[in-house]
Amino acid sequence: QQQVKQSPQSLIVQKGGISIINCAYENTAFDYFPWYQQFPGKGPALLIAIRPDVSEKKEGRFTISFNKSAKQFSLHIMDSQPGDSATYFCAASKETSGSRLTFGEGTQLTVNP
Amino acid sequence: NAGVTQTPKFRVLKTGQSMTLLCAQDMNHEYMYWYRQDPGMGLRLIHYSVGEGTTAKGEVPDGYNVSRLKKQNFLLGLESAAPSQTSVYFCASSYRWGGEQFFGPGTRLTVL
Repeated sequence: QQQVKQSPQSLIVQKGGISIINCAYENTAFDYFPWYQQFPGKGPALLIAIRPDVSEKKEGRFTISFNKSAKQFSLHIMDSQPGDSATYFCAASKETSGSRLTFGEGTQLTVNP
Repeated sequence: NAGVTQTPKFRVLKTGQSMTLLCAQDMNHEYMYWYRQDPGMGLRLIHYSVGEGTTAKGEVPDGYNVSRLKKQNFLLGLESAAPSQTSVYFCASSYRWGGEQFFGPGTRLTVL
C-alpha cells in the first residue's frame, strides 16, 4: 500500500494564529486528497477535500494547498481557535478505482487561548 | 439516518477472553472497514469488506476475525484477547472503494 507521510506529529498554536499541516504522497495516480478532523472521543469526519485539477480549495477558515509536481498537499487553518483543537488526518486515494483511502499518521493540534 | 453505529462503546476484557464488536451502517455502502487507533500510530486497517459475504486482511489482521453476513453489518471478533489489543476500534464505510469513508464513534477496548 502506497504511503502518505504527514508532519508534524503535534502542533501548538496560539489563538488567532495559522496552523499548517503537511502531507506527502508517493503514488502519482492518486486523485482524491481529503483531510479528516477527529475530536477527542469521536470518530474522524471529513473536513475538506481536493482533487488535482485545482491547486487550492478554501472552505471558511480551512484551505488545502496542492502541489502536484512535488506530490505534496497541506492544510492551513487561518485564525485558529481553541475549538479547532483536534487530531487531523490527511489521506489519499484513486477515488473511482484502484486504491482505497490511505491515511497519514495524524497531527494533534492544540490551539491555546 | 444514523450513519455508522458501533456497539459497545466501552469494554474491559481479561486476557484470553473473546468478544465481538458490531458495526452497522444504514447508507447502503458496499465497502466497510475496521481500524484500530493507538497513540502516535494513526489509523491502522485491520480487515475490510468489499461487499456482503466478502472479507479481506488489512495491515494488522493477526488476532482478529471478521464476518459480513449482511450488507449493513460488519463484525470484528477477538478470539483470545491480549493486552496488545487494548486500543480504540473504529468502523467505517464508503460508497466508493477510494471515496470518502464515514466513521463510527469508536469502541474503547481494554484488555487486562
